[in-house]
Amino acid sequence: GENVEQHPSTLSVQEGDSAVIKCTYSDSASNYFPWYKQELGKRPQLIIDIRSNVGEKKDQRIAVTLNKTAKHFSLHITETQPEDSAVYFCAAIHNTDKLIFGTGTRLQVFP
Amino acid sequence: DTGVSQNPRHKITKRGQNVTFRCDPISEHNRLYWYRQTLGQGPEFLTYFQNEAQLEKSRLLSDRFSAERPKGSFSTLEIQRTEQGDSAMYLCASRKNRAGNTEAFFGQGTRLTVV
Repeated sequence: GENVEQHPSTLSVQEGDSAVIKCTYSDSASNYFPWYKQELGKRPQLIIDIRSNVGEKKDQRIAVTLNKTAKHFSLHITETQPEDSAVYFCAAIHNTDKLIFGTGTRLQVFP
Repeated sequence: DTGVSQNPRHKITKRGQNVTFRCDPISEHNRLYWYRQTLGQGPEFLTYFQNEAQLEKSRLLSDRFSAERPKGSFSTLEIQRTEQGDSAMYLCASRKNRAGNTEAFFGQGTRLTVV
């Protein structure tokens, strides 16, 4: 069935360092890959997304890359700041338009 | 607030009771999704709708769970004969269905505690 795997489950970095979170998906027909940030006690909110016709997308300090052949996509955060600390979820829209999430990565940025 | 709205925000119920949650999506969004989230986990897919049609229900979902979206606007999720394992945050999300795909917006969630 449809599945999205996410690694690592926790990630600790020093302020100013980069953070990378990786996901793989199972359905080769998936065509939309959003990333959500969830702060403690709050709803998930979209931070960046990428469509299958694009290999990379960047928005200030965050970027997402997509490798359709390998069915991998990754989130890159550069120059991390303490306010980047949160749980990050990747997701994939499957060909049935079902939105499936990864298990999440808890990112901690230490000052 | 014109975003996705969920009610109630919190629900405490005794084991064996039935509970019903409501989700009001963004008005022009025809896709509506229900998820369950437990501490430290990602949103687990439960079911989703295209307008009033329920397109899929997770195989992991028991028959105690049912969802409706009678007029293609708000949706309800009912859990019958609640069990302690049902304790979780129940999230609703909505999005437009159009070519190119679009962002899913989440509600604040309903936190269910079964005692």
